Amino acid sequence: DIQMTQSPSTLSASVGDRVTITCRASQSISYWLAWYQQKPGKAPNLLIYKASTLESGVPSRFSGSGSGTEFTLTISSLQPDDLATYYCQHYNSYPLTFGGGTKVEIK
Amino acid sequence: QVQLQESSPGLVKPSETLSLTCTISGGSIINYYWSWIRQPPGKGLEWIASIYHSGSTNYNPSLKSRVTISVDTSNNQFSLKLSSVTATDTAMFYCARQTSDTAFDIWGQGTMVTVSS
Repeated sequence: DIQMTQSPSTLSASVGDRVTITCRASQSISYWLAWYQQKPGKAPNLLIYKASTLESGVPSRFSGSGSGTEFTLTISSLQPDDLATYYCQHYNSYPLTFGGGTKVEIK
Repeated sequence: QVQLQESSPGLVKPSETLSLTCTISGGSIINYYWSWIRQPPGKGLEWIASIYHSGSTNYNPSLKSRVTISVDTSNNQFSLKLSSVTATDTAMFYCARQTSDTAFDIWGQGTMVTVSS
């Protein structure tokens, strides 16, 4: 199985800050990586797929990069509405696995 | 737009079988994969299983011996059965649409299942 490791597990930042979350795969997954945002009490919501393609309707302050084993999700200017937990997930092969999540808090 | 709605068994007794159904509205079940994902309280996401409209399946090896996923194209539904449940199976269960390009692009609102006597 491919293991997905996210860091940090929690981060606290101020409104307007640039925020970066890292996701590492235990083996190469090419660009088959998605990022999800999960707000408290809600289902996850797809933000980015194929490592860097923004899902329709997602604000442009979100961006993704990387390939192979190293990936990043960046929020260019953190907004209060971005309070959430973010998960990466590979879909290179079965079984599909998620990272452990990064909880983003607003200072 | 496509919407997914999970059925809600709520409470299941230990050793029994958990059964869930996801109903798809606003779109067709054809030409997509459909998946179940769970999330224990306060924890992360775990993929359980996926099925294509043709009936082709994939299972998480950690759950494969206890899981059955099925599809009912005539009713635009797919289902999950998880047998021999224990308290560790208590979780929010989500159904989701899965594509080869976009991963899980549409999710249901989720249904909480508690395993308790």
